[in-house]
Amino acid sequence: GDSVTQMEGPVTLSEEAFLTINCTYTATGYPSLFWYVQYPGEGLQLLLKATKADDKGSNKGFEATYRKETTSFHLEKGSVQVSDSAVYFCALHSGAGSYQLTFGKGTKLSVIP
Amino acid sequence: DAGITQSPRHKVTETGTPVTLRCHQTENHRYMYWYRQDPGHGLRLIHYSYGVKDTDKGEVSDGYSVSRSKTEDFLLTLESATSSQTSVYFCAIRGTGGLYEQYFGPGTRLTVT
Repeated sequence: GDSVTQMEGPVTLSEEAFLTINCTYTATGYPSLFWYVQYPGEGLQLLLKATKADDKGSNKGFEATYRKETTSFHLEKGSVQVSDSAVYFCALHSGAGSYQLTFGKGTKLSVIP
Repeated sequence: DAGITQSPRHKVTETGTPVTLRCHQTENHRYMYWYRQDPGHGLRLIHYSYGVKDTDKGEVSDGYSVSRSKTEDFLLTLESATSSQTSVYFCAIRGTGGLYEQYFGPGTRLTVT
C-alpha cells in the first residue's frame, strides 16, 4: 500500500538558517505529492503541491521537487523565520480511483530568534 | 479558504454519552472527510463521504458513525464516547482542481472524561 515517511522531529533551527525536511514515499502509479503546514491550534493548510516528476512546488519561500527516481519530495527553505514554527506534513494521492490522501506523521519545526 | 466550519470547536463530555460533531461547507464539494489527530499517530482517517448518503469507512472507524443528508453537512457521531476518543477531530473537503488535494477545517477538540 501507499506510505509516506518523514524525518523524525522535532527540528530546532535558528532564525535565517536553511531548512530541509525529508520526505520519501511508496506508491503505485504516479502519485500527486503535497506539503501541508499546521500552526498551533489550527487545521492543516496546503503549502505546496506537485503532480509529476521534476515538478517543483513553491509557496511562501518553501520549495519541494518531485523526484521520481529517488521517490522523494523534500521540503526546503533558504532562510526560516520564527513565524515558520509549525508542524509540517508530507502527503500523497495515488491517483484516480483513490479517495484518500496518505499522510506522513509530521515534523515539528521550532525556529528560535 | 474552502469555507469549512466545524462545531463545536471544543467539547468536554463524559464516558458513555453520545456526541455529534458537525462539519459544514459552503462550496458544494462532493468529497468530505473526518480525521482524528493524536500525538505520535499523525492524522488518521475515520470516515469519508463521496456524495449525499454515500459514505465509507477509513482506518479507524470503530466506535464512530457518520451521516450526510445534504451536500453541505457531514456529521460524525460517537454513539457512546470513550476516553480513547479524546482527540482533535478535523473535517476536510477535496478540492475540485483535479489534483486531489484536501482542505481542512479548524478542528474540534474533544475531551472524554
